[in-house]
Amino acid sequence: DVLMTQTPLSSPVTLGQPASISCRSSQSLVHSNGDTYLSWLQQRPGQPPRLLIYKISNRFSGVPDRFSGSGTGTDFTLKISRVEAEDVGIYYCMQATHFPRTFGQGTKVEIK
Amino acid sequence: EVQLLESGGGLIQPGGSLRLSCAASGFTFSNYAMNWVRQAPGKGLEWVSTISVTGVGTHYAASVKGRFTISRDDSKNTLFLQMSSLRVEDTAVYYCAKDVDSSGAYGIDPWGQGTLVTVSA
Repeated sequence: DVLMTQTPLSSPVTLGQPASISCRSSQSLVHSNGDTYLSWLQQRPGQPPRLLIYKISNRFSGVPDRFSGSGTGTDFTLKISRVEAEDVGIYYCMQATHFPRTFGQGTKVEIK
Repeated sequence: EVQLLESGGGLIQPGGSLRLSCAASGFTFSNYAMNWVRQAPGKGLEWVSTISVTGVGTHYAASVKGRFTISRDDSKNTLFLQMSSLRVEDTAVYYCAKDVDSSGAYGIDPWGQGTLVTVSA
């Protein structure tokens, strides 16, 4: 199974300041078709998860442009350029290149 | 608007069986792979199972393989998860979630609100 490792597990951030979350996979997430099936999800308190980023760096419909994704192969990053109060929650990376699909442990973003 | 509504959760004794349902609306259900993902209380997300378009292809997490069966009824726009030989560690909120596209490359969205399964004596 592909192990997804996120760091940090907790990220206290001042409003308006940036936040960055790293996700590393135990093997390459490059699919045989050349795409990389790495996505990022946000779970606000008491809510189901929602998709933020797909294929490393593509923002899903309705996602603010302060969210961005980058990376290649086994190393990926989610950045929030200026954290807003509504960004509080837990962020997960997920790979869908290989079955079983796997998630990172989650990174809790909270306001200082 | 795409909607996914899970049902069937509840309190069940270890060793028992339960069938979860997910009613889908707002999209052409038969055109998309579907997933079950669970979240134990206070824990992270754990992928459980995926079923392909047409239902021919199914995949399971090792933790549930042989005990859980995913299926779909495209005529009723409904996804199912038959769970048997339930264990205490299966206690979780179970989410139904749709693949964004047919390739799986675009991730999973949306997610239902979830249904809580509690396995306890």
